[in-house]
Amino acid sequence: QKEVEQNSGPLSVPEGAIASLNCTYSDRVSQSFFWYRQYSGKSPELIMSIYSNGDKEDGRFTAQLNKASQYVSLLIRDSQPSDSATYLCAVKGSGSARQLTFGSGTQLTVLP
Amino acid sequence: EPEVTQTPSHQVTQMGQEVILRCVPISNHLYFYWYRQILGQKVEFLVSFYNNEISEKSEIFDDQFSVERPDGSNFTLKIRSTKLEDSAMYFCASKSRRGGIDEQFFGPGTRLTVL
Repeated sequence: QKEVEQNSGPLSVPEGAIASLNCTYSDRVSQSFFWYRQYSGKSPELIMSIYSNGDKEDGRFTAQLNKASQYVSLLIRDSQPSDSATYLCAVKGSGSARQLTFGSGTQLTVLP
Repeated sequence: EPEVTQTPSHQVTQMGQEVILRCVPISNHLYFYWYRQILGQKVEFLVSFYNNEISEKSEIFDDQFSVERPDGSNFTLKIRSTKLEDSAMYFCASKSRRGGIDEQFFGPGTRLTVL
């Protein structure tokens, strides 16, 4: 059974701070890793993808991957109230058509 | 920017009735997926579809479910005889075939309510 684990939160940070979201996964052959943002009642919105060990930066977002530790994280710098949402970690195994396995999400609240 | 679209946004049905949920994937994408999310729970995979056939399906995707790509643009999920526990948000997603790009993009979802 492939598992993706996230701290459910809620995580609260003040505006302008760094929010740190963590995710671990059980399937060692996983190859692709994603962070989605989901606002209440809405669909998952892709914000970051990462495929190799190390850091990947996109604007205020940095994804970090450590395959040896089976660990993925997302840092949000200069957090804004509009970043308040649930952040979903998703993991995909090998093979083009393979599905995503989602974590339960971390609810982030950025306080003005 | 191209988007996945889904219709209807909300479907209310009686238990035992058939429903068809519709999706228009992004036009140059070749991999298609259905996921569902019961209120307050994880997003769960149902089925993936490529080259006009099912690639993978989860244990949720039993004989009551079917998928079809009836033409070059639509991708449908049919539930033959709905149960109360089918009430959920159903998301369609699609993925490009471009090498190295593994990103799935989700539609806005259909909220299915079974009474």
